Amino acid sequence: DAKTTQPPSMDCAEGRAANLPCNHSTISGNEYVYWYRQIHSQGPQYIIHGLKNNETNEMASLIITEDRKSSTLILPHATLRDTAVYYCIVRVPNNNDMRFGAGTRLTVKP
Amino acid sequence: EAGVTQSPTHLIKTRGQQATLRCSPISGHTSVYWYQQALGLGLQFLLWYDEGEERNRGNFPPRFSGRQFPNYSSELNVNALELEDSALYLCASSLTVLEAFFGQGTRLTVV
Repeated sequence: DAKTTQPPSMDCAEGRAANLPCNHSTISGNEYVYWYRQIHSQGPQYIIHGLKNNETNEMASLIITEDRKSSTLILPHATLRDTAVYYCIVRVPNNNDMRFGAGTRLTVKP
Repeated sequence: EAGVTQSPTHLIKTRGQQATLRCSPISGHTSVYWYQQALGLGLQFLLWYDEGEERNRGNFPPRFSGRQFPNYSSELNVNALELEDSALYLCASSLTVLEAFFGQGTRLTVV
């Protein structure tokens, strides 16, 4: 069973920041938070991951709360191509499998 | 560097037959994950292989099985196919703490 809770859907205006929340209240100390997205039945694409500190890469930023019970994925300037289902996963790298929840369907509108 | 490759891209089988799906991980990756994604639904975890051994399996019947070869490639076998097995089957590979990379999937249609 997935260990995360995400809103089923969100809308965002093109060019604005998209903030996707994820609750993982039962996360353990050695579990990382990973984000993936899936565009229309293609294979999911890795976005970013983190343990404690906030992370940023060319695609997105990941903000993890101090208690690590929730996180937010930020797409700073959403484009129409960012329309996808976004999945938040918690796992111990290479120590267990990856269980996906239902994810958040983000729709970026012009 | 080649990504995760899956074959075949599409597969059509008759109910009761067996299907074999293949996955080649990224070079050097030792873990392979299999997922089933029925139309319009989420990814359901099937199997996880690491270093040639099955580490865990999801809530699927025993007719879903697989193996990982010494070169870390993997096969997923589905016996006694049922109509409900029609889905996109996705394979992913990873190495240690790094992220997992997914292939584009095999679309299995059971008629």
